[in-house]
Amino acid sequence: SSELTQDPAVSVALGQTVRITCQGDSLRSYYASWYQQKPGQAPVLVIYSENNRPSGIPDRFSGSTSGNTASLTITGAQAEDEADYYCNSRDSSGKRVFGGGTKVTVL
Amino acid sequence: QVQLLESGPGLVRPSETLSLTCTVSGGSVSSASSYWSWIRQPPGKGLEWIGSIFFSGITNYSPSLKSRVTISVDTSKNRFSLRLSSVTAADTAVYYCARDLSVSMIRGVANWIDLWGQGALVTVSS
Repeated sequence: SSELTQDPAVSVALGQTVRITCQGDSLRSYYASWYQQKPGQAPVLVIYSENNRPSGIPDRFSGSTSGNTASLTITGAQAEDEADYYCNSRDSSGKRVFGGGTKVTVL
Repeated sequence: QVQLLESGPGLVRPSETLSLTCTVSGGSVSSASSYWSWIRQPPGKGLEWIGSIFFSGITNYSPSLKSRVTISVDTSKNRFSLRLSSVTAADTAVYYCARDLSVSMIRGVANWIDLWGQGALVTVSS
């Protein structure tokens, strides 16, 4: 199966650490990427090929993968990190798939 | 820098065909490391990958939409297009065009979407 499963919502206190997970069989073979989306805006890439950050993305964002689970960790969450986060990967035929998204609330 | 801009009708009638074009500026659709994708997001819902095309014309479509989708590329005009036939209200969404990079890494090929258009809202209604 190429489906990716994410928890619908998580909350984190300001300055604390939150981990967002993404589960799927395809993650055993293919890299995950992560996207941040704020209301009314296009998604923005925050992590690619498991644990690489594009230029301009703060180093409080990190990624990892273990088995069939990819994780996005925000260490020291800031108010501006409140957003929806989506994981993405591919299957053996090259088809892409998104997780359902996780809404992160910073308290 | 490379920018993507979607264009097309914002209102489509049920059973008709949705058509959008994505114009690439500051870069080339003929890049060997780039796939060009369409992704949509219904109001209040998550992202859905529609399909991708390589500059050579090779396409890959979501199984759930494959019977209704056509993605094409025009290298002479540096743009690519989406056609979705027999639309219903369920096809109402913001449609994004995007650049999907494909790079060989240690654990195989990695893909990620590094560039998105601003999005185009398409409403299906009579």
